[in-house]
Amino acid sequence: GNSVTQMEGPVTLSEEAFLTINCTYTATGYPSLFWYVQYPGEGLQLLLKATKADDKGSNKGFEATYRKETTSFHLEKGSVQVSDSAVYFCALSPRGNEKLTFGTGTRLTIIP
Amino acid sequence: GAVVSQHPSWVICKSGTSVKIECRSLDFQATTMFWYRQFPKQSLMLMATSNEGSKATYEQGVEKDKFLINHASLTLSTLTVTSAHPEDSSFYICSARVWDLGDTQYFGPGTRLTVL
Repeated sequence: GNSVTQMEGPVTLSEEAFLTINCTYTATGYPSLFWYVQYPGEGLQLLLKATKADDKGSNKGFEATYRKETTSFHLEKGSVQVSDSAVYFCALSPRGNEKLTFGTGTRLTIIP
Repeated sequence: GAVVSQHPSWVICKSGTSVKIECRSLDFQATTMFWYRQFPKQSLMLMATSNEGSKATYEQGVEKDKFLINHASLTLSTLTVTSAHPEDSSFYICSARVWDLGDTQYFGPGTRLTVL
């Protein structure tokens, strides 16, 4: 079956530090890959996505590249801000299938 | 745009009672809505997929008679937890999708259910 494994948290960084949250997946075929973010008290929001190998999704300074050879979709940001504190979820949906499979989420806290 | 609301945001009920949770798409018509359950420090688990005007499709292991889903209109889906027990206590999240917005799901803020 499909599965997503992501870096366990919590992760605490200082402001302006470099961020990487690892995500690897298991799926047949060529799934679409997503990063969702959940800010305190809010619903999940789509942060970025990639639909085919070597695609790079980017938004709000965050980036992730679809690496089929390593089945990975690691989330990166060059300089984090306090406002980036949230829970980040990696997810996939199989090609032609709208169901999402989520990772366990990584809580990120940025300290000033 | 693409806002999804849930009501209530939290509910506490006694064991044996039923609880209804509403999921509304506020500014778009959702042809498909999804219901998820999230346990503390765990991932979201898809419970069921509902399409407007048809019966919901439940994931394996989810009791359809326990978790009743009604998607009566393009902007409203409801999840009713029947004869709730403490083990049903969880965070329930809905999402909505519409074809002309691509394959993105828009999530509600979730409902915290506590069964005493």
